[in-house]
Amino acid sequence: SAVISQKPSRDICQRGTSLTIQCQVDSQVTMMFWYRQQPGQSLTLIATANQGSEATYESGFVIDKFPISRPNLTFSTLTVSNMSPEDSSIYLCSVESDRRYFGDGTRLSIL
Amino acid sequence: QKEVEQDPGPLSVPEGAIVSLNCTYSNSAFQYFMWYRQYSRKGPELLMYTYSSGNKEDGRFTAQVDKSSKYISLFIRDSQPSDSATYLCAILTQGGSEKLVFGKGTKLTVNP
Repeated sequence: SAVISQKPSRDICQRGTSLTIQCQVDSQVTMMFWYRQQPGQSLTLIATANQGSEATYESGFVIDKFPISRPNLTFSTLTVSNMSPEDSSIYLCSVESDRRYFGDGTRLSIL
Repeated sequence: QKEVEQDPGPLSVPEGAIVSLNCTYSNSAFQYFMWYRQYSRKGPELLMYTYSSGNKEDGRFTAQVDKSSKYISLFIRDSQPSDSATYLCAILTQGGSEKLVFGKGTKLTVNP
């Protein structure tokens, strides 16, 4: 199993600012992912966080907007840059261990 | 056409009812199908997974896959208020890089 701690759990931010979300796992995992869950929309994969190399982004997501770090096998960060109201969403960290596990998400509101 | 389609509901049933949750998918090559349960303000958790066609039962939950019609279902028997959550279907795409693709989720409320 894997227990994921995600911080912050929620935040309210001003337009144009950036926020970094942290994801800590209680065991070493190879695969870590970042998802976005917008109201009324499917859980959507933003990128796969690769340890020791650049993240792999899905179509529609770019590194300049969502830079990701993965310094080791238990930790990753996602930054939401130059935020606009359209970025208001829940952002979830996920890992693949014996199955796919998800953190409880970061609820982000942009004013 | 989206890869996975799911009616978002909401769905409200009395305690003890049989609940049927459904999804359709577009690619007949998909073989791994999952159901996740997501309680309010929590992350999704894997409830059941099935491979290929047929039924899989786990207690009050039954997952069913009909590959001929590209239709997946989750049945909940004797539903309980604690089953109130959003249920998300997901498929595992294959070929190249594996990726989980989710439906929008169906919000279920079981009323005591």
